[in-house]
Amino acid sequence: AQTVTQSQPEMSVQEAETVTLSCTYDTSESDYYLFWYKQPPSRQMILVIRQEAYKQQNATENRFSVNFQKAAKSFSLKISDSQLGDAAMYFCAYRSHLFYNTDKLIFGTGTRLQVFP
Amino acid sequence: DTGVSQNPRHKITKRGQNVTFRCDPISEHNRLYWYRQTLGQGPEFLTYFQNEAQLEKSRLLSDRFSAERPKGSFSTLEIQRTEQGDSAMYLCASSLAGRRSTDTQYFGPGTRLTVL
Repeated sequence: AQTVTQSQPEMSVQEAETVTLSCTYDTSESDYYLFWYKQPPSRQMILVIRQEAYKQQNATENRFSVNFQKAAKSFSLKISDSQLGDAAMYFCAYRSHLFYNTDKLIFGTGTRLQVFP
Repeated sequence: DTGVSQNPRHKITKRGQNVTFRCDPISEHNRLYWYRQTLGQGPEFLTYFQNEAQLEKSRLLSDRFSAERPKGSFSTLEIQRTEQGDSAMYLCASSLAGRRSTDTQYFGPGTRLTVL
């Protein structure tokens, strides 16, 4: 079975600085997808960024980028120029390729990010 | 696009009672998912539908839990004989499944269940 581990329960960053959130996963599957979701307090979860495992190029979305190391099974999220609105729980998630006949997301336990002015 | 909606947003019930939650997905989305999230944890998958067919169920989904999506639009999740351990946030998500496997799951605001 696949597992996702986030070893940092909490992180903090100063506004305008850069922070990196860690995620590792375990799988024996050859193709899969990885995601970072953001869950602000009392608000719904939204997708931040996604990575397809067969792509070697790291995904980027504006201030958000990932460092995907397939051999190490590592998928970290870098937030540049942090803003107060980035404060939230961040969840790393794994999804098998659909040829494994499943479509569920497997989440880590999350990292709470605080942003200080 | 009004997003995924869930009702009620909060439900308090006594142990042993039955509860039912509703999820309305984004209108053109054919897949609908249910997850459960307890305090301090990430969401855990419960089940998902493609149109009206329930394609996968987690072992977490005990016999007291049943989900339906009768017309392929909204879905209901019913918990019978609630237990204190059922207290959690129940999240619904939807997606438009196509050839691309990376179809994004869009989440609703959740229903917070408290069992007294």
